[in-house]
Amino acid sequence: DAGITQSPRHKVTETGTPVTLRCHQTENHRYMYWYRQDPGHGLRLIHYSYGVKDTDKGEVSDGYSVSRSKTEDFLLTLESATSSQTSVYFCATGSQGNYEQYFGPGTRLTVT
Amino acid sequence: AQSVTQLGSHVSVSEGALVLLRCNYSSSVPPYLFWYVQYPNQGLQLLLKYTSAATLVKGINGFEAEFKKSETSFHLTKPSAHMSDAAEYFCAVINRGSQGNLIFGKGTKLSVKP
Repeated sequence: DAGITQSPRHKVTETGTPVTLRCHQTENHRYMYWYRQDPGHGLRLIHYSYGVKDTDKGEVSDGYSVSRSKTEDFLLTLESATSSQTSVYFCATGSQGNYEQYFGPGTRLTVT
Repeated sequence: AQSVTQLGSHVSVSEGALVLLRCNYSSSVPPYLFWYVQYPNQGLQLLLKYTSAATLVKGINGFEAEFKKSETSFHLTKPSAHMSDAAEYFCAVINRGSQGNLIFGKGTKLSVKP
């Protein structure tokens, strides 16, 4: 398994506050992804990165931004959290030419 | 556009019974297909994948899946369910030649009764 950690693992925050979630990998994988998981929706892609400083939007990117300043870290920021962003967030990584993705343990975010 | 449909959000089987979780895909080009498993409060773990070699794919924990192009299906099976198989299962598709953006189904939660 790829070494993927996410921090924090749990967070409760208030509406309107900024939140940053961190994903850290030790596998030197080129590709990194942020998903959100909600009941009845499966996993939906928020943003992804195909290299340092190279990112693109996914299916549900509104209200989220990302940054990747080095290979091992991919940050997801909610500039002003809303209750609709209460979810479980998963980071994943993938290597060039290998279509598998490896998932982190998830961050449960509650916006009150 | 690609899509994945998992038939049945909940499936319940008895221990020792056949497990069959259904997945149909839509893709304009030959796809790669995946099954992932998620145990409670954990991330997703790859069970098996189809990448155009053998159409019958064997995965971990005794699971297998068969790619049927004519039926656009990739159903997951296990001959004999075990209590430890209780989890949520996700089917996913990606177009060959594109990097990375898996499209997931909505998941099927498997319960195993003693």
